[in-house]
Amino acid sequence: GDSVTQMEGPVTLSEEAFLTINCTYTATGYPSLFWYVQYPGEGLQLLLKATKADDKGSNKGFEATYRKETTSFHLEKGSVQVSDSAVYFCALSGGGSNYKLTFGKGTLLTVNP
Amino acid sequence: DGGITQSPKYLFRKEGQNVTLSCEQNLNHDAMYWYRQDPGQGLRLIYYSQIVNDFQKGDIAEGYSVSREKKESFPLTVTSAQKNPTAFYLCASSSSGRALNNEQFFGPGTRLTVL
Repeated sequence: GDSVTQMEGPVTLSEEAFLTINCTYTATGYPSLFWYVQYPGEGLQLLLKATKADDKGSNKGFEATYRKETTSFHLEKGSVQVSDSAVYFCALSGGGSNYKLTFGKGTLLTVNP
Repeated sequence: DGGITQSPKYLFRKEGQNVTLSCEQNLNHDAMYWYRQDPGQGLRLIYYSQIVNDFQKGDIAEGYSVSREKKESFPLTVTSAQKNPTAFYLCASSSSGRALNNEQFFGPGTRLTVL
């Protein structure tokens, strides 16, 4: 079945540092890929998405590129802020299960001033 | 403003009691979903509904039940048969349950604690 593996946290960075959170996937067919963010005590919000190979999703300074050859969708940001502190989830839809999202376990990011 | 509401935000239940979590959306979405979130486990799908009066089991449906009598409402009942119900429950919706790149919109969640 479909699966998503993302780097385990927690990740702790200083403000203005470079961020990478790795995400790889296993899926049949051609899934769409997503990054969601969850701030403390809240639900999830879509951060960015990509629907086909070599697409780059971007939002709020975050970027991720759909790499079919390496089955990866790594999240990057050039300069993090304290307000970026949250849990980040990589997810896929499609592949073997068109209707549902398959999530990674989440990565907690803490950014210190 | 369009969105998804869940109530209550915090819920306490005694062992052996059933409890119902509310989820309402005014986005005119056809599909709705219930997830359970446990620390370090990501999100797991409990039930989903692609259209009114129809729903299917997700990956961890045992001990839960749902109904979808109205397009905007998808309540989840946690029954006494659920062995470990303490968790954070998230409701989501999407415009369609069949689109490959369909974005799901999430509610703020309900934290259920069994005493």
